[in-house]
Amino acid sequence: SAVISQKPSRDICQRGTSLTIQCQVDSQVTMMFWYRQQPGQSLTLIATANQGSEATYESGFVIDKFPISRPNLTFSTLTVSNMSPEDSSIYLCSVVSRDTQYFGPGTRLTVL
Amino acid sequence: AQSVTQPDIHITVSEGASLELRCNYSYGATPYLFWYVQSPGQGLQLLLKYFSGDTLVQGIKGFEAEFKRSQSSFNLRKPSVHWSDAAEYFCAVGPFSGGYQKVTFGTGTKLQVIP
Repeated sequence: SAVISQKPSRDICQRGTSLTIQCQVDSQVTMMFWYRQQPGQSLTLIATANQGSEATYESGFVIDKFPISRPNLTFSTLTVSNMSPEDSSIYLCSVVSRDTQYFGPGTRLTVL
Repeated sequence: AQSVTQPDIHITVSEGASLELRCNYSYGATPYLFWYVQSPGQGLQLLLKYFSGDTLVQGIKGFEAEFKRSQSSFNLRKPSVHWSDAAEYFCAVGPFSGGYQKVTFGTGTKLQVIP
């Protein structure tokens, strides 16, 4: 199994600011994924982060808005830039290990 | 394109009663199917998955799901619900090959358990 921790667990931010979310895994994984879970909606994949290469973004998500770092095989960060109230969501980090997808506890972001 | 429908947004059952959560999918090939549970303030936990083989899949916490290709369904069942089962349940479908996967999640079903 893989145990994933995220920081912060929640935050309240002002419009126009940026927040960096950290994801730590207890084992080395090739790929890490970032999801957004908006209220009342399903999970949406933001991007896939490989160690040592640029993240791959899904349609509707761009690097300028959601820059991602992947400095090693156990850690990744997602930054939500120039935030607006529409960015209020839960952001989830995820990894795949042995054909099972694991999720972190999520970061609940509220933008005022 | 693949899609998942969970027609029930909210379900209430009595403790000890049986439970069935519905999931219908659309996928062009043999799907990989998953059920996850999310308790308040927690991440998603995998309950069970179907890749191939026996269409009745057993999962953790006493849950099972049955893959019915003819109905494009993968309903989740539990014979006797416990109060601790109150959570949100997500069905997901997609390719799950090796590294990159493109799993599509349903909108979730919130389960309330009453005494």
